[in-house]
Amino acid sequence: DQQVKQNSPSLSVQEGRISILNCDYTNSMFDYFLWYKKYPAEGPTFLISISSIKDKNEDGRFTVFLNKSAKHLSLHIVPSQPGDSAVYFCAARGRSNDYKLSFGAGTTVTVRA
Amino acid sequence: DAGVTQSPTHLIKTRGQHVTLRCSPISGHKSVSWYQQVLGQGPQFIFQYYEKEERGRGNFPDRFSARQFPNYSSELNVNALLLGDSALYLCASSLGGGNTEAFFGQGTRLTVV
Repeated sequence: DQQVKQNSPSLSVQEGRISILNCDYTNSMFDYFLWYKKYPAEGPTFLISISSIKDKNEDGRFTVFLNKSAKHLSLHIVPSQPGDSAVYFCAARGRSNDYKLSFGAGTTVTVRA
Repeated sequence: DAGVTQSPTHLIKTRGQHVTLRCSPISGHKSVSWYQQVLGQGPQFIFQYYEKEERGRGNFPDRFSARQFPNYSSELNVNALLLGDSALYLCASSLGGGNTEAFFGQGTRLTVV
């Protein structure tokens, strides 16, 4: 079953504007969340993560927000740059089975010049 | 510093054959995980090995097996290949088994014909 969902398969944003990627999850036992970026023919690259004890984590242009009551997290990229065009995956780790990450299906971001 | 390295990068096999994929983790990392990614989906967890012991196994048939060597490198073996095994196979390494920061290799693209 799909415990991590990224309901928007694609997102187009103008260079310099904000990109907001959304992710929903169903398993209340998830305690750690990660975002990855993937270019074609490459493996996923780790971007940023957040523990369930926090509601925000920031790293440069990337900020992740976690709303535990809504089982929702989002990734904000400000400002968006052409090199940000990629597929973004949301992943979650369970407290009781921390040996695996559960991934969403990904959102393809296109940054327009 | 070398990241996670996987070999080979591409592979074509015939149905019924056997395949071995290899992964070298980041130096100092003791955990290796394997994921399968089919087109349009996020990576699906197959195995995690930590300190040469299997910590977890995903919902994959027994045709899939893996092992970790004393130098922490790992092999993924798939027997009796099916067309549906065609996918990108990703290896991820992390310091411990908890996946708070897992780094991926570039993947092995397996095509079964």
